[in-house]
Amino acid sequence: ETGVTQSPTHLIKTRGQQVTLRCSSQSGHNTVSWYQQALGQGPQFIFQYYREEENGRGNFPPRFSGLQFPNYSSELNVNALELDDSALYLCASSLPSRGGTDTQYFGPGTRLTVL
Amino acid sequence: DAKTTQPTSMDCAEGRAANLPCNHSTISGNEYVYWYRQIHSQGPQYIIHGLKNNETNEMASLIITEDRKSSTLILPHATLRDTAVYYCIVRVVNTDKLIFGTGTRLQVFP
Repeated sequence: ETGVTQSPTHLIKTRGQQVTLRCSSQSGHNTVSWYQQALGQGPQFIFQYYREEENGRGNFPPRFSGLQFPNYSSELNVNALELDDSALYLCASSLPSRGGTDTQYFGPGTRLTVL
Repeated sequence: DAKTTQPTSMDCAEGRAANLPCNHSTISGNEYVYWYRQIHSQGPQYIIHGLKNNETNEMASLIITEDRKSSTLILPHATLRDTAVYYCIVRVVNTDKLIFGTGTRLQVFP
């Protein structure tokens, strides 16, 4: 158990709808990263939030957006869902530190199916 | 693109050591080697990381060659629960992303 939780576990949406996925960080971690994992592939980086600001973004369109709250929990929002958005969505929390290493600890993921 | 190369799949007998290789010939001096594993449909699990020295924890050992161009993850006594996809990743610490490749699918058999 990493202490990182995600909700919901599973979700079914139809094309064109919007979805919000949620993540609670491990206690003390101020950084959250989101990844998308399509079936049979490795996770791909979507973006990272550090102290409520976006801190890096992968090759995903603007309809993928996020938020981080003062308690460091986070949301991933996807607008105008497409069939190819069907995937396992993973969040990972970490604590960057000078002189240390910011190991990312993953939650169990949210399985999104777009019909 | 991932900066590592791993075999697609490996088998290991239960109770034996599993040695998973990883090539990272273009690794930079400030990049660490991280290993994660992913059991079917679960979130990736952190295993171990290192810079240039060999590392050991309760899960595994990490052996990094002197030139740092390759490494080996060792599970000393593999069990059926170690069946998973193992990812080797190189990254600069305190940067944003992990770049996952296709990993090695390890099958532990009785």
